[in-house]
Amino acid sequence: KAGVTQTPRYLIKTRGQQVTLSCSPISGHRSVSWYQQTPGQGLQFLFEYFSETQRNKGNFPGRFSGRQFSNSRSEMNVSTLELGDSALYLCASSLAGGGNEQFFGPGTRLTVL
Amino acid sequence: GQSLEQPSEVTAVEGAIVQINCTYQTSGFYGLSWYQQHDGGAPTFLSYNALDGLEETGRFSSFLSRSDSYGYLLLQELQMKDSASYFCAVRVPNTDKLIFGTGTRLQVFP
Repeated sequence: KAGVTQTPRYLIKTRGQQVTLSCSPISGHRSVSWYQQTPGQGLQFLFEYFSETQRNKGNFPGRFSGRQFSNSRSEMNVSTLELGDSALYLCASSLAGGGNEQFFGPGTRLTVL
Repeated sequence: GQSLEQPSEVTAVEGAIVQINCTYQTSGFYGLSWYQQHDGGAPTFLSYNALDGLEETGRFSSFLSRSDSYGYLLLQELQMKDSASYFCAVRVPNTDKLIFGTGTRLQVFP
């Protein structure tokens, strides 16, 4: 069974631009969560989607948004990029919402110049 | 609020045993999970303690004590490939968010 995939793997943007990241969960998994990982802040929860509905949202500004499609694939969008948004963005899937075993993708490394 | 504290770094030699602690301040949670992340890689699930006590999975064991607000991951017979970062995590009731600890970087030396 294929693992969680994320595209693109690397991205360079400039301040003020927007970006869309994509995540395809493991087949059959209906829950997708997004995390931001930085050296200083560690793994920070962004949001969780289940059956196309946002279940939870972390403490991030409204510039960070996401959605989930009927095939469980998910996208997250960051608008008006700031230098501090440079991070590794990880997506994780689980069978159902609230799962304790999450399967992570390789992440998208975003660099904002 | 909720916070999970871990030592920032632990070092050990091959074949040794190492314990990575996780102390938490949260009003309640469903259980304690552990994840491993190699440099440049994705976190991978190691274990989950729903109840107090010890859970053993091969060379790795995880322990939880809710009364002491404390848990740990025990790695035995250390191998070079165990060099990685280790994160504890809890899912918080009501919000149902998965909160990760600060992470511990383990370096195993020959």
